[in-house]
Amino acid sequence: GESVGLHLPTLSVQEGDNSIINCAYSNSASDYFIWYKQESGKGPQFIIDIRSNMDKRQGQRVTVLLNKTVKHLSLQIAATQPGDSAVYFCAEKWDANRDDKIIFGKGTRLHILP
Amino acid sequence: ETGVTQSPTHLIKTRGQQVTLRCSSQSGHNTVSWYQQALGQGPQFIFQYYREEENGRGNFPPRFSGLQFPNYSSELNVNALELDDSALYLCASSLWGGSITDTQYFGPGTRLTVL
Repeated sequence: GESVGLHLPTLSVQEGDNSIINCAYSNSASDYFIWYKQESGKGPQFIIDIRSNMDKRQGQRVTVLLNKTVKHLSLQIAATQPGDSAVYFCAEKWDANRDDKIIFGKGTRLHILP
Repeated sequence: ETGVTQSPTHLIKTRGQQVTLRCSSQSGHNTVSWYQQALGQGPQFIFQYYREEENGRGNFPPRFSGLQFPNYSSELNVNALELDDSALYLCASSLWGGSITDTQYFGPGTRLTVL
């Protein structure tokens, strides 16, 4: 079915450490994956994306890893800062969709410890 | 900020009433998608509008309807409100380029409470 799941609902990380947020997806037909960050009172904000023909993509302080064999996605945030506190969603899309809909997971809350 | 605006910010309605939510898309964007986000959940796709036509719909009943205007702004209408309709309603705009990687930019949402 259409579902994107997450392993951990809450993750606490020391400021300055690296954060790793994991996500399992169920649709093997998914072609495209996105990580969103949602701060309190705001809409989801695009962080980084990856196509299914790639296994790694890097951005500024963030890296997304894709393992299609086990249908697993992860977001790595380097040197976590207080401003990284938010809920992070992995999301997926597939080309067979006539529309452009994004299927979101339930989210992981990232809590930064001082 | 994404340039996507939504109004109102908050809204309280009673069961059975009707509500209209509004969205102004980012300049240059021609596609608007609406999502419902229940507390503690990820957003769920309601429907999408491209060039004033519905371009796809999620698992929502017909009492959820929408419009897109020539300036690409959009409305979401919900009739016969139910308690479970209480949620954050998000609008996302994008420029339809036919690519799966077309980025959707989200507005801040409208918080609807149904009593």
